[in-house]
Amino acid sequence: DAMVIQNPRYQVTQFGKPVTLSCSQTLNHNVMYWYQQKSSQAPKLLFHYYDKDFNNEADTPDNFQSRRPNTSFCFLDIRSPGLGDAAMYLCATSGDGLREQFFGPGTRLTVL
Amino acid sequence: QKEVEQNSGPLSVPEGAIASLNCTYSDRVSQSFFWYRQYSGKSPELIMSIYSNGDKEDGRFTAQLNKASQYVSLLIRDSQPSDSATYLCAAGKGSTLGRLYFGRGTQLTVWP
Repeated sequence: DAMVIQNPRYQVTQFGKPVTLSCSQTLNHNVMYWYQQKSSQAPKLLFHYYDKDFNNEADTPDNFQSRRPNTSFCFLDIRSPGLGDAAMYLCATSGDGLREQFFGPGTRLTVL
Repeated sequence: QKEVEQNSGPLSVPEGAIASLNCTYSDRVSQSFFWYRQYSGKSPELIMSIYSNGDKEDGRFTAQLNKASQYVSLLIRDSQPSDSATYLCAAGKGSTLGRLYFGRGTQLTVWP
């Protein structure tokens, strides 16, 4: 089945220790998104790729970086996690920017 | 002003009743609209998409769009306890490089 996969599902890191989250898709979608979602809040878009074109939201902290080495994979790097970065990180894909997005299962990040 | 606003709820209905969820959006140029269901600790799951004025039905779910009033709703008929979740409304705008804007969600509880 076509799907969006995220690894790991749960990640525990220490304050300031870099962490990388990964996302892969078999949907062959052009657009991939990274969202941060905290409890009882809307998903917050961090950045998205349209093919290899990178689009950064204005309020995404510099601490967050992303890479998309090919159509199928996308990575989220958090260079120096702080306690406020503890959240669910969601990867989503779409055929284009206005169509429905399909979400992966998410990675729950805990910062100690 | 937020792009997408939802009644925060919580909304509580008895099993078998109709649940009505509402959403407004601020930008008239929004072109696509979606309802997602999110169970606690899980990622959003697409329920309905709607692009033109009127009603769209899929099983027990009906999405309604009124562009003149900038209003989107979701009706759930014959509500079941398994429908208990947070429902996210999203609006898309921009070109094919556009993006979705999510509301904070409405928490629905269906009691037996």
